[in-house]
Amino acid sequence: QFHVQESGPGLVKPSETLSLLCTVSGAPMNTVGYYWAWIRQSPGRGLEWIGSIHYTETTYYKSALESRVTISMDTSKNSFSLKLTSVTAADAATYYCATMASRDLGFDPWGQGILVSVSS
Amino acid sequence: QSVLTQPPSVSEAPRQRVTISCSGSSSNIGSNSVHWYQHLPGKAPKLVMFYDDVLSSGVSDRFSGSKSGTSASLAIRGLQSEDEADYYCAAWDDTLNGWVFGGGTKLTVL
Repeated sequence: QFHVQESGPGLVKPSETLSLLCTVSGAPMNTVGYYWAWIRQSPGRGLEWIGSIHYTETTYYKSALESRVTISMDTSKNSFSLKLTSVTAADAATYYCATMASRDLGFDPWGQGILVSVSS
Repeated sequence: QSVLTQPPSVSEAPRQRVTISCSGSSSNIGSNSVHWYQHLPGKAPKLVMFYDDVLSSGVSDRFSGSKSGTSASLAIRGLQSEDEADYYCAAWDDTLNGWVFGGGTKLTVL
């Protein structure tokens, strides 16, 4: 069973790049079939899928964020990362990483989440 | 504006049954599996249902899921105070080539 945990700065300045890391434990993250995802929740709003990376390193991004998002994986460190450029106040949110064994099986488990504020 | 549409809130008394709806389209619910998540404030979202109607491990059998066409539902019978949470549906969207979530439904147990 996988366990995932987010880490990174809790404060980012406007126009700068938000960088978060998700550390995976319990099994190799290049296990066949698995997807690794970033999902966020802005204050007072619902869950928003940001993007995912497949174990083949194929990436999928939400179209509205695609120009600013990069998700990559480092199998040697069993981790994957999120980079979101040119952040604004609208990017302030709790960011979750999660995994999915296949598209039909749902995101499970999720990390505890990391709150990221955007302010100068 | 979420791609999947859920009622913002539902409420029901303890020990009663409640249903949360999730409406989509042919490119998401109509052609892919639906997942349901329970989210308590300050906690990690928890998968409660996948493959439209399969109960996730460790989740009470008071929860059940169904799907018909481009709509899905999550039902909870025998409501308990511990069921109070936000519930989200999600599915893969073939047109958007990504996952989409509903806007979430806040369940209040009266």
